[in-house]
Amino acid sequence: EVQLVQSGAEVGKPGESLKISCKGSGYTFTNYWIAWVRQMPGKGLEWMGSIYLGDSDSRYSPSFQGQVTISADTSINTAYVRWNSLKASDTAMYYCARHKAVGDYMDVWGRGTTVTVSS
Amino acid sequence: YVLTQPPSVSVAPGKTATITCGGNNIGSKTVYWFQQKPGQAPLLVISYDSDRPSGIPERFSGSNSGDTATLTISRVEVGDEADYYCQVWANSRDPLYVFGPGTTVTVL
Repeated sequence: EVQLVQSGAEVGKPGESLKISCKGSGYTFTNYWIAWVRQMPGKGLEWMGSIYLGDSDSRYSPSFQGQVTISADTSINTAYVRWNSLKASDTAMYYCARHKAVGDYMDVWGRGTTVTVSS
Repeated sequence: YVLTQPPSVSVAPGKTATITCGGNNIGSKTVYWFQQKPGQAPLLVISYDSDRPSGIPERFSGSNSGDTATLTISRVEVGDEADYYCQVWANSRDPLYVFGPGTTVTVL
């Protein structure tokens, strides 16, 4: 079964760093991109960026460029998104999803990771 | 690139729900549609404007022309209640995926 398993809920304080993960299984990880999508409470979906697991090529939404870092460890089929300094406005649900090529559809999604930032 | 969707659509069971997604010359782009039920991850229901992924009922169909893409749900069921998002790849100066604001479908 093809699936993306995301890490558990996180609570952090403003200014702290945080990294969440997304582990793929049931398919050839390095043949796909992994996208990260933010959903703030009660709001819609926002694409943050994507990384190609074949060569770690990454693309970012202008809204998230410089705010987060997307990376991957192909030896363990895992993609990450990292914040160096959390803000209260980072409080959201974060989903990972795979897509075959840039511009292609996102066909498999993780269940999401809730990030809560509060002092 | 900006997409517009109606905030809500209400439909009686067994009737047809039509959800629009507006964008400048969206007919020249490829549109994807996602369904999201409360507490769940999004689910792809239409790819490449009008293709249904495996497991998606034939009641779901899509079209795309001019400045409007459309998701149509025929013979609506209570289980179709959800938020629906359109998405395109806007390969412009800043290539990126763009989501519409979402439409809440309520089955009366």
